[in-house]
Amino acid sequence: NAGVTQTPKFQVLKTGQSMTLQCAQDMNHNSMYWYRQDPGMGLRLIYYSASEGTTDKGEVPNGYNVSRLNKREFSLRLESAAPSQTSVYFCASSEMDPSYEQYFGPGTRLTVT
Amino acid sequence: QKEVEQNSGPLSVPEGAIASLNCTYSDRGSQSFFWYRQYSGKSPELIMFIYSNGDKEDGRFTAQLNKASQYVSLLIRDSQPSDSATYLCAVRTYNAGNMLTFGGGTRLMVKP
Repeated sequence: NAGVTQTPKFQVLKTGQSMTLQCAQDMNHNSMYWYRQDPGMGLRLIYYSASEGTTDKGEVPNGYNVSRLNKREFSLRLESAAPSQTSVYFCASSEMDPSYEQYFGPGTRLTVT
Repeated sequence: QKEVEQNSGPLSVPEGAIASLNCTYSDRGSQSFFWYRQYSGKSPELIMFIYSNGDKEDGRFTAQLNKASQYVSLLIRDSQPSDSATYLCAVRTYNAGNMLTFGGGTRLMVKP
């Protein structure tokens, strides 16, 4: 039982490049989330998916897109990376809504130069 | 004003002491409150949640909620060096579409 997995663990991009961060969970959770964490800022919600087939914007969605590929997988895409997107990205899942415990993946450390 | 505020610390306590971590929130309609622990370079993990006013105890941890004053706190009794981490307060806020809003975290250092 791996929980929440994320790939890659580290990535360096040049400004304007694109990439997709992958996330998968094996806990049969309905809800999945993408956060970014910057020093002193805590975790900020980028996008979430309350259930398979639905996605909604969070607090900081600009510059990102998401896909809920199936119940297990939720990907985050940066179409044209900018230095302001340098951050640590966490994927999380919960059984139902956020009142339930959220389980976090190990994170992806992204640097945009 | 940030939705959820925490003192960034570091909060330094000696081993065996009580560590007190505080969090204030601005959305008066918030219903659910969570404390996550995050070790350096790792992902957050849930320690406790609290929904009702008063205290909730789990082992060495006690969460305290005061909705009238809009604050939630976490007490760690008999602090151990292994408790050294950043503690994130998270609040389920209706203003944010029922999503969790996280504070910036308080870094706790427990000195042997």
